[in-house]
Amino acid sequence: GAGVSQSPSNKVTEKGKDVELRCDPISGHTALYWYRQSLGQGLEFLIYFQGNSAPDKSGLPSDRFSAERTGGSVSTLTIQRTQQEDSAVYLCASSLGSGLSSYNEQFFGPGTRLTVL
Amino acid sequence: KNEVEQSPQNLTAQEGEFITINCSYSVGISALHWLQQHPGGGIVSLFMLSSGKKKHGRLIATINIQEKHSSLHITASHPRDSAVYICAVRSETSGSRLTFGEGTQLTVNP
Repeated sequence: GAGVSQSPSNKVTEKGKDVELRCDPISGHTALYWYRQSLGQGLEFLIYFQGNSAPDKSGLPSDRFSAERTGGSVSTLTIQRTQQEDSAVYLCASSLGSGLSSYNEQFFGPGTRLTVL
Repeated sequence: KNEVEQSPQNLTAQEGEFITINCSYSVGISALHWLQQHPGGGIVSLFMLSSGKKKHGRLIATINIQEKHSSLHITASHPRDSAVYICAVRSETSGSRLTFGEGTQLTVNP
């Protein structure tokens, strides 16, 4: 079956514009995660969804960042009034559930490379 | 000090060598993940473990909960193993979120 998909694969935007990044998880996966990887830095957690609710949004770096998930499937990460420091690869992952079973390993999408000029 | 530390940062090996990448963490964890990131950026989950040892093909992951340490071993390394290997932990108190190490860049030369 299809893996996690993300769109767009690349996005170039001007400082101050809003952007929306999309994640389509694997069908049937209830847990969805957003991560960010800035150039030369490690991965950092942004937000986690279980179904449509976000029990952990502690990684969102500012109130310019928001995310939603509808129908327990597709998720959108929105960045308002983008800044140059928002430039990074934004990665989405999904898992069957969120417990500790090995069935709940996370499957990663290919990422969206965001460049803010 | 980062919660998750990996060593070495960079590793170059000759094809066929046995490789070890280390991960130390400073918090109580519920699980530890090893991930592989290819040059194109794609990330693959290799292992999720909370105790003992797991093996998949030429890859072996071990964890010592008491010492807060995990190792990833690659036997009979091959140039296609060249990638960044990332250790990530789920802490006991942070639910499902992962905290990542900085990664180890592995290059295997033919």
